[in-house]
Amino acid sequence: GIQVEQSPPDLILQEGANSTLRCNFSDSVNNLQWFHQNPWGQLINLFYIPSGTKQNGRLSATTVATERYSLLYISSSQTTDSGVYFCAVERSGAAGNKLTFGGGTRVLVKP
Amino acid sequence: ETGVTQSPTHLIKTRGQQVTLRCSSQSGHNTVSWYQQALGQGPQFIFQYYREEENGRGNFPPRFSGLQFPNYSSELNVNALELDDSALYLCASSFGPGSNEKLFFGSGTQLSVL
Repeated sequence: GIQVEQSPPDLILQEGANSTLRCNFSDSVNNLQWFHQNPWGQLINLFYIPSGTKQNGRLSATTVATERYSLLYISSSQTTDSGVYFCAVERSGAAGNKLTFGGGTRVLVKP
Repeated sequence: ETGVTQSPTHLIKTRGQQVTLRCSSQSGHNTVSWYQQALGQGPQFIFQYYREEENGRGNFPPRFSGLQFPNYSSELNVNALELDDSALYLCASSFGPGSNEKLFFGSGTQLSVL
């Protein structure tokens, strides 16, 4: 099956700092989504981004499908950004939203 | 708030028992997927239901089964519980089974098997 690797595994930030999270995948994809899991376990969908660039407030994401990677940018980080960020993909040709998740990047934003 | 609710939030069972976990999808979402998340790992796809029929399954044994009902609710059933079944079980709903649909997750049920 498709492999998904996220880096770095852990990230400690001072409030206000910027950061970049990376997701590499081993095959072409038709579906890529970024999620944030808060300390209570809730997974929040941040972006659906199989290609191109999107922005939502302080967060933005870019997927370069031809080179098989995606980046999530966090600007002016806040303590509420703490949690685990997951990238999840579905291989091209597969039928319907059955996602393979990476191992996540654990982010801690200190005040 | 994703509009997807799961119950119970926590559950303790003993090895060999059976368990039923419940999920209520967002109104209008005809597709529900279940994922298992072991501690410190990313979620793993268990199976998906679309219009009350199983629509794909991950690498999980048949003792993991599911049901989807017309009222946007669904169940995950696990028989003959094993210690390794201890995990967070997440339900996710979407408008359809297509690969262009965003998934919306519930807060999960934390299952402990003793």
